[in-house]
Amino acid sequence: DGGITQSPKYLFRKEGQNVTLSCEQNLNHDAMYWYRQDPGQGLRLIYYSQIVNDFQKGDIAEGYSVSREKKESFPLTVTSAQKNPTAFYLCASSSQTSGGNIQYFGAGTRLSVL
Amino acid sequence: QKEVEQDPGPLSVPEGAIVSLNCTYSNSAFQYFMWYRQYSRKGPELLMYTYSSGNKEDGRFTAQVDKSSKYISLFIRDSQPSDSATYLCAMSVRSGGGADGLTFGKGTHLIIQP
Repeated sequence: DGGITQSPKYLFRKEGQNVTLSCEQNLNHDAMYWYRQDPGQGLRLIYYSQIVNDFQKGDIAEGYSVSREKKESFPLTVTSAQKNPTAFYLCASSSQTSGGNIQYFGAGTRLSVL
Repeated sequence: QKEVEQDPGPLSVPEGAIVSLNCTYSNSAFQYFMWYRQYSRKGPELLMYTYSSGNKEDGRFTAQVDKSSKYISLFIRDSQPSDSATYLCAMSVRSGGGADGLTFGKGTHLIIQP
């Protein structure tokens, strides 16, 4: 099955802890994205990457970090500096050659604070 | 003024009704227009994609773009309870990825009453 796999589905973070959300895609897409979704806020871009070993900050990057060591993988770390991490996190990918930058999404990870 | 405006709803209609969902936008450079459907606690899935102005039909769904009015619509005919979800509009200026890849509306929550 081609698609985007996010894990885990649910994640709990303790005070002062860093946690990492996994995102893997087998669509051979070059670009990958992380969004945060809060009720009534819509989708907000955290980080994006257009090629391996390169990534850029989105609108709300503070308190988050990413890496892109492989084309298929784009993990997101929620650091202890992110004071309000409770949200639904979505990973997406797109082909650089697709018209209009159509993005395909994973099923999401719901992060809560203990 | 926000770049993409979308009424959050909820919009509640009886089963079998025609549903009209809409977005307005301010950036006249947008050329590519998409509608995503998001079920509760799931990732968004691409429903419709159109380039420039005009209509596009796919089964019970019709997407309409009026660039002169900066207004896009999604019509759902013969609505079913399974259509109950949040519908997000999205649009982009150009092809390829990047931070300006997609601009999302905040989504309209649709409820189809059996």
